[in-house]
Amino acid sequence: QLQLQESGPGLVKPSETLSLTCTVSGGSIRSSSDYWGWIRQPPGKGLEWIGSLYYSGDTYYNPSLKSRVTISVDTSKNQFSLKLSSVTAADTAVYYCAKPSYGDPNAFDIWGQGTMVTVSS
Amino acid sequence: QSVLTQPPSASGTPGQRVTISCSGSSSNIGNNYVYWFRQLPGTAPKLLIYRNNQRPSGVPDRFSGSKSGTSASLAISGLRSEDEADYYCAAWDDSRGGPVFGGGTKLTVL
Repeated sequence: QLQLQESGPGLVKPSETLSLTCTVSGGSIRSSSDYWGWIRQPPGKGLEWIGSLYYSGDTYYNPSLKSRVTISVDTSKNQFSLKLSSVTAADTAVYYCAKPSYGDPNAFDIWGQGTMVTVSS
Repeated sequence: QSVLTQPPSASGTPGQRVTISCSGSSSNIGNNYVYWFRQLPGTAPKLLIYRNNQRPSGVPDRFSGSKSGTSASLAISGLRSEDEADYYCAAWDDSRGGPVFGGGTKLTVL
């Protein structure tokens, strides 16, 4: 059974880079036709798609974050990662990694438990 | 401000049927599939409906989705206390090149 687990610092200073990793267990991150995504949720607010990574390495980013986001994959560790640069308090949120299923890149069916990241000095 | 519009709250009594609406535009709901997620407090969202009206395995048939034009709805029949949660709709948005979400609806079971 595929499982996802986010990890990374819970506190990041303003203007610095947020770095998170999602470790995939129970399956290979290089399975063909698979997408992997990052979604965040500010405290008390709704969900926001950050970006997705296709198994081939192609990436797709939310236009509102595109200039600051990088999603990459490390197949040797079965992980994919998120980097968000120049963070501000507005980037404080629970960050989820997620994987779509049913052959649909938007049907996020498998989620990590989420990790809270606070941006503060 | 979310791209998709949902009522902030909804309520019903046990056994009742409730619906939650989601309004968008031609760049998202009007020309693409709709998805619904349920989120219990302190937990990750769970996929309830994909491609407008398809239920993932394990989701009971009490949950159903529909779409008409630029709006969509999630219906929950036989309401139970454990259905009390936040519900989010989502759809691919052609102008943004990615999925967008509604602001969420908090369902209260009275």
